Amino acid sequence: ETGVTQSPTHLIKTRGQQVTLRCSSQSGHNTVSWYQQALGQGPQFIFQYYREEENGRGNFPPRFSGLQFPNYSSELNVNALELDDSALYLCASSQPDRGGYGYTFGSGTRLTVV
Amino acid sequence: DAKTTQPPSMDCAEGRAANLPCNHSTISGNEYVYWYRQIHSQGPQYIIHGLKNNETNEMASLIITEDRKSSTLILPHATLRDTAVYYCIVRLYGGDSSYKLIFGSGTRLLVRP
Repeated sequence: ETGVTQSPTHLIKTRGQQVTLRCSSQSGHNTVSWYQQALGQGPQFIFQYYREEENGRGNFPPRFSGLQFPNYSSELNVNALELDDSALYLCASSQPDRGGYGYTFGSGTRLTVV
Repeated sequence: DAKTTQPPSMDCAEGRAANLPCNHSTISGNEYVYWYRQIHSQGPQYIIHGLKNNETNEMASLIITEDRKSSTLILPHATLRDTAVYYCIVRLYGGDSSYKLIFGSGTRLLVRP
């Protein structure tokens, strides 16, 4: 059973640029959710993807968007980067529609905006 | 949204039980409580979850009060490797298989030799 893999592990971008982060879900999981973790804080829910559509969103602006692919992997896109977007971005895969309660997190992508 | 409140830090001696409290006074009846831990900004690691009843697994025990407004995570014999930030989390249901985990700010547990 493979775990959740995120890429890249670290990334430095300039304010105003765009970034794409990637996540492969754990084998057997069909749902991916994304979280932003600022330094010293708990993760905050960005959105969830299920059946290749966004089906839940936290308090994040539209410049945060995503995709889910038929193999259940996912991308997080952030446009017009701001300094406050610097954070650890975590994805978690799960299978809630079949009674699954577990969430498997990846190790995250550390994004620095300068 | 339900919110969790945790003490910012705790410590315990190696080999002793670590009891980590969490308040979730606004939790609704169908919202689960989860505990995860995070070491050195790695991805959070699952520990345990529960709804109403107390739960135990190979890592820990979860005690949920009868009114479900608070819970306690118990690590029965803490080791140095248990030093981490522990998050108490409520899982909210948004309909159509839509869930989100609401993290607290975490408790930094230091296990002393």
